[in-house]
Amino acid sequence: DTAVSQTPKYLVTQMGNDKSIKCEQNLGHDTMYWYKQDSKKFLKIMFSYNNKELIINETVPNRFSPKSPDKAHLNLHINSLELGDSAVYFCASSLGEGQPPQHFGDGTRLSIL
Amino acid sequence: AQSVTQPDIHITVSEGASLELRCNYSYGATPYLFWYVQSPGQGLQLLLKYFSGDTLVQGIKGFEAEFKRSQSSFNLRKPSVHWSDAAEYFCATAGSNYQLIWGAGTKLIIKP
Repeated sequence: DTAVSQTPKYLVTQMGNDKSIKCEQNLGHDTMYWYKQDSKKFLKIMFSYNNKELIINETVPNRFSPKSPDKAHLNLHINSLELGDSAVYFCASSLGEGQPPQHFGDGTRLSIL
Repeated sequence: AQSVTQPDIHITVSEGASLELRCNYSYGATPYLFWYVQSPGQGLQLLLKYFSGDTLVQGIKGFEAEFKRSQSSFNLRKPSVHWSDAAEYFCATAGSNYQLIWGAGTKLIIKP
């Protein structure tokens, strides 16, 4: 069973479009994260939710909006996509706030044309 | 500001040989330190973590790491590598609000 699954794996779209990436974890973890891995391989945290509540919101454009309907899901919606949004986005989870991410999804490679 | 440096962009090791991947951190107090592995086309997996206590930490897949405060280092080691260890390895430290500050990664190449 996949611990953290995110869909889609690949997303190719045009500038200006709106898209969503979904993430689900079946580990019973309380905390979930979204990271952006840019071309230099740095992993930057974007958001973190603990039990459906936002606890970390880094300097991310308002076009990015996370949504956590329950503690097992953390989706990422992106409006008005820009070229600079091209990256691999990773979802992750941990036991709880203060614990490091232990399991990551396989990543979603977003390419903006 | 806290930072993590992985001096080696890539390292090539023969299968069966020992491995050491370097990681240096900058932080005044005792840091929280982590090593993650990213296999090709896959997500990251936590190998091991150090919060406090014994400075030699055992992780999964036969890896260990040693925290050395005097050298500000947290190097990852494995006595004998396997071809399946070929991957990218990331060292990280926990910043304020438990965000993770990542190194740039070290790509491990295994020679047959």
